[in-house]
Amino acid sequence: DAGVIQSPRHEVTEMGQEVTLRCKPISGHNSLFWYRQTMMRGLELLIYFNNNVPIDDSGMPEDRFSAKMPNASFSTLKIQPSEPRDSAVYFCASSWGGQETQYFGPGTRLLVL
Amino acid sequence: AQSVTQPDIHITVSEGASLELRCNYSYGATPYLFWYVQSPGQGLQLLLKYFSGDTLVQGIKGFEAEFKRSQSSFNLRKPSVHWSDAAEYFCAVGAQGGYQKVTFGIGTKLQVIP
Repeated sequence: DAGVIQSPRHEVTEMGQEVTLRCKPISGHNSLFWYRQTMMRGLELLIYFNNNVPIDDSGMPEDRFSAKMPNASFSTLKIQPSEPRDSAVYFCASSWGGQETQYFGPGTRLLVL
Repeated sequence: AQSVTQPDIHITVSEGASLELRCNYSYGATPYLFWYVQSPGQGLQLLLKYFSGDTLVQGIKGFEAEFKRSQSSFNLRKPSVHWSDAAEYFCAVGAQGGYQKVTFGIGTKLQVIP
């Protein structure tokens, strides 16, 4: 059974460029989460969706970040324009119902020069 | 809002020694509690979780954790550490009912020496 799939696994871009991260949750899961992990701040929840609807985006850093979930099997996290301080590992996770157990993808390592 | 404290950022143990990683949480009601492990370059993987019932929870890879409501703690233990246990460990707390927001601790990095 496939786990959470994220692409790309690595992304190197220049400051000011648009970055799009992609996530395919586990089939049947109805909740999806985007996290950012850095050495300084640890693991931060950016946004989570329930049944494709954004429930809590209070962790989204600023207007440069946006996330969408057009259907139950796909989500994107976009950064426009990107800045060096956005360099981090971005994880997507999904879960089902009240189980509260989240299954994490392998992450996207983003480096903004 | 819930919060999690992992007081030890870095722990070093000898292979074969016992391990205890500390986790304290803050939450007004009975929480959901989790321990996740992250190997280098990987995503997080669930080790074990507590929702209700028996306060001693068994997980994968020989780990266990005990929920102590009086101490607001959920410490992770393993009787004998293997070199492959070297990783970063995250405690997390979630709210029962409602939406599935889980708060993660800062993590404890475990180093295992021969």
